[in-house]
Amino acid sequence: AQSVSQHNHHVILSEAASLELGCNYSYGGTVNLFWYVQYPGQHLQLLLKYFSGDPLVKGIKGFEAEFIKSKFSFNLRKPSVQWSDTAEYFCAVSRMDSSYKLIFGSGTRLLVRP
Amino acid sequence: DAGVTQSPTHLIKTRGQHVTLRCSPISGHKSVSWYQQVLGQGPQFIFQYYEKEERGRGNFPDRFSARQFPNYSSELNVNALLLGDSALYLCASSLVFGYNEQFFGPGTRLTVL
Repeated sequence: AQSVSQHNHHVILSEAASLELGCNYSYGGTVNLFWYVQYPGQHLQLLLKYFSGDPLVKGIKGFEAEFIKSKFSFNLRKPSVQWSDTAEYFCAVSRMDSSYKLIFGSGTRLLVRP
Repeated sequence: DAGVTQSPTHLIKTRGQHVTLRCSPISGHKSVSWYQQVLGQGPQFIFQYYEKEERGRGNFPDRFSARQFPNYSSELNVNALLLGDSALYLCASSLVFGYNEQFFGPGTRLTVL
């Protein structure tokens, strides 16, 4: 079965620290990749997406992610986090075949201390 | 522009009851998907609809059903509720089937007692 693994369930950082959240998926075909964010009390919002082309994708609020096909990974990065980045982050994968459903990881809760 | 809207916001039911959740997609979006998010987990795919036809179904029992209307809004129905059905039910819309940048609504929090 296809799966998406997020290695860090809880991450605590101080402001200005660098962030990297891991995401690996288990599907060998063509995929679309997403990172969604859920701020406290808000609904899921798209942070960035990869469909094709440059494997380094830039999203909103200074986030970026790198697709490494050989490692089946799509890690999220931010050079310097802010208190307002406190949220839950979900990696999601969609297969490019007859099924376009999103398969989500279990999420990573990020707490940024001021 | 309004985003994806869902109703009701919260719902409390007892075991064995039936529930209907509603979703209106972003204007112009023709595909709607439903997800279940249990506390501490990522959303799990339930259904996807496009042009009133079911285009995908997740690993959920037949107690779960859905439909899409001509105006592209959608309903999710759950029969014979179990305690384990307690979750946040999310609706997502996308422009068309196969264009899978999905936009999520705020969800309906269902509590089964």
